[in-house]
Formats: sequence, structure tokens, C-alpha cells
Amino acid sequence: GQQLNQSPQSMFIQEGEDVSMNCTSSSIFNTWLWYKQDPGEGPVLLIALYKAGELTSNGRLTAQFGITRKDSFLNISASIPSDVGIYFCAGQRNTGNQFYFGTGTSLTVIP
Amino acid sequence: EAGVAQSPRYKIIEKRQSVAFWCNPISGHATLYWYQQILGQGPKLLIQFQNNGVVDDSQLPKDRFSAERLKGVDSTLKIQPAKLEDSAVYLCASSLRGWDTQYFGPGTRLTVL
Repeated sequence: GQQLNQSPQSMFIQEGEDVSMNCTSSSIFNTWLWYKQDPGEGPVLLIALYKAGELTSNGRLTAQFGITRKDSFLNISASIPSDVGIYFCAGQRNTGNQFYFGTGTSLTVIP
Repeated sequence: EAGVAQSPRYKIIEKRQSVAFWCNPISGHATLYWYQQILGQGPKLLIQFQNNGVVDDSQLPKDRFSAERLKGVDSTLKIQPAKLEDSAVYLCASSLRGWDTQYFGPGTRLTVL
């Protein structure tokens, strides 16, 4: 199956710091999604991106659809303890196809 | 609006036993998905239903896994017989139509001993 690589694999940061993570693919995608998964719960959609170069914000979260269409980025500004969790990217090649999920970035915020 | 419901939340079985998971999607959602999430990995699609028909089951290990959505609403996923490597969280998701925004349930954590 399609492999999406996320980096970094894990992060330990101080509360208030900004966070950056990325997701790369060997294939071109037409849609990128970013999810957050809390322990014992299913993933929750944070941001959806549909166009190369698109920059979309959701509160303190900002995501970008890479211009090569093979990558995407997620930034979290001024992190807070409730940002703790695992962040997954998901990519879709064409509308109607399945989404492939990345390997996840585990975020720990130290108060 | 009620979310995607799954049960049980946890299940521990011995290898070669059988197990079944149940999912009730969000009301009105035509598309239902089952994912397998192994510890430390992202979810992997097992099967996708559109109403009561299978759209994609290419990654479902059909020798031991089966799934049905008989009335186009709730769904069951069965493993028979289970292997150690089936230990994972099984996530159900639903969407209004195929491959638009998916809403996930809390998952069933399966441990095979």
C-alpha cells in the first residue's frame, strides 16, 4: 500500500512553544487531511486541504498543501497541554479513492 | 448529533478464537469503513461499504476476516480464527458519501494472546 512518512516521529516541547511537523509521499495527492488522535479515541479531523499551495488555519493550527503535491505541513502555535496526542496526515490521490494515513507524530507538551 | 458507535471497546481473546465487532454509523451516512490500526501506525483501510454493498475490500485478509452491512446501516466485522498479529485497534468510520469527511468511532482494542 501507499506509504506516507511523517516527521518527526515524536516531539517533546514546552507549553507555549510552536510546533511544526510534515508528511511526505512518493505519489502526488489531490487532497490532504490532518487528524488528531487522543488516547483511546478515534482520529478527529482538524484541517482539510484541496489545492496545491493552499494554506488553511483552524484556530492555532495552520496546514499547508505542498506545491509539489507530495507533501503537507502542520504548524501549531503557542502549544497548550491539550494539544497532546498523535497527529496523522492522510492523503487521497483522486476524488473517490481511499485515503492513506501517515505513520503519525506523537506530541507531548510539558507544562 | 450522535457520533459513530462501536462495541465492545476492549476484547481479549486467545489465538484461534473468533471475535466480532459492531459499528453503528452516524445516521444518514451512506458510506462505512473499517480500519485496522496497529500500535504505532496509522489506520489501514480494511473494507469500505456504500450502503449495503462492498466498494473496496482489497486489503481485507479474506481467509480470516469478514464483514457485512446487511441493512445498509450498522455493520459487523468478524475475525475467525484470530492470530497474534491481529492485535490492534479496529476503527469504524462513516461519511455522508464516499470519501468525503470521515467521522471515526472510538475503536475496539483487540488483544490476541
